[in-house]
Amino acid sequence: DIQMTQSPSSLSASVGDRVTVTCRASQDISNYLAWYQQRPGKVPKLLIYAASTLQSGVPSRFSGSGSGTDFTLTISSLQPEDVATYYCQKYNSAPRTFGQGTKVEIK
Amino acid sequence: QALLVQSGGEVKKPGASVKVSCRTSGYTFTSNGINWVRQAPGQGLEWMGWISPHTGNTNYALRFQGRVTMSTDTSTSTANMELRSLTSDDSAVYYCARDLVSGFFPSPFDYWGQGILVTVSS
Repeated sequence: DIQMTQSPSSLSASVGDRVTVTCRASQDISNYLAWYQQRPGKVPKLLIYAASTLQSGVPSRFSGSGSGTDFTLTISSLQPEDVATYYCQKYNSAPRTFGQGTKVEIK
Repeated sequence: QALLVQSGGEVKKPGASVKVSCRTSGYTFTSNGINWVRQAPGQGLEWMGWISPHTGNTNYALRFQGRVTMSTDTSTSTANMELRSLTSDDSAVYYCARDLVSGFFPSPFDYWGQGILVTVSS
């Protein structure tokens, strides 16, 4: 099975900072990569799919890039409501594995 | 606007089975696959498997094969997931989640149920 590895596991940044989360697949998954946000105690929310397509209603400060094995989620200007754990997911084939998550906090 | 509403939380003893339901509305139930994802306390998301409400085809994660059964009832637009031979390691929040893309194409999940807590304890 393809493994998904995120880094870092957690980060702390100031409001307004640019934040980057990385996801690496153990094999080529083309652009079949999604990012989810899970705020504390809430249901996961789809942010980005096809590596870089913003889901409807998601603020434009979120962006995604990458293809093949290396992917990035960027928050251009961190806001207090962005405190959450972020997960990448490969969905090109089963199993649709998630990364282990990256917890983003405000400094 | 799709809506996925799950049944209530459950407490089960080790060795028992649990059946979780996910009632959908707001879209054509047979158009999009339904996935089941679980999250143990303080842990990450784990994909358990997928079912096509249109065909009944399923695809289970290897670690759950033989222990999980996913089904659908098109008359009530409801998806079900039964997990057998429960252990304490199965204590988790269980989510149903809809495929964004209809049909059999690779897809992330756009709508999620609210999640239900299954606790396995003697």
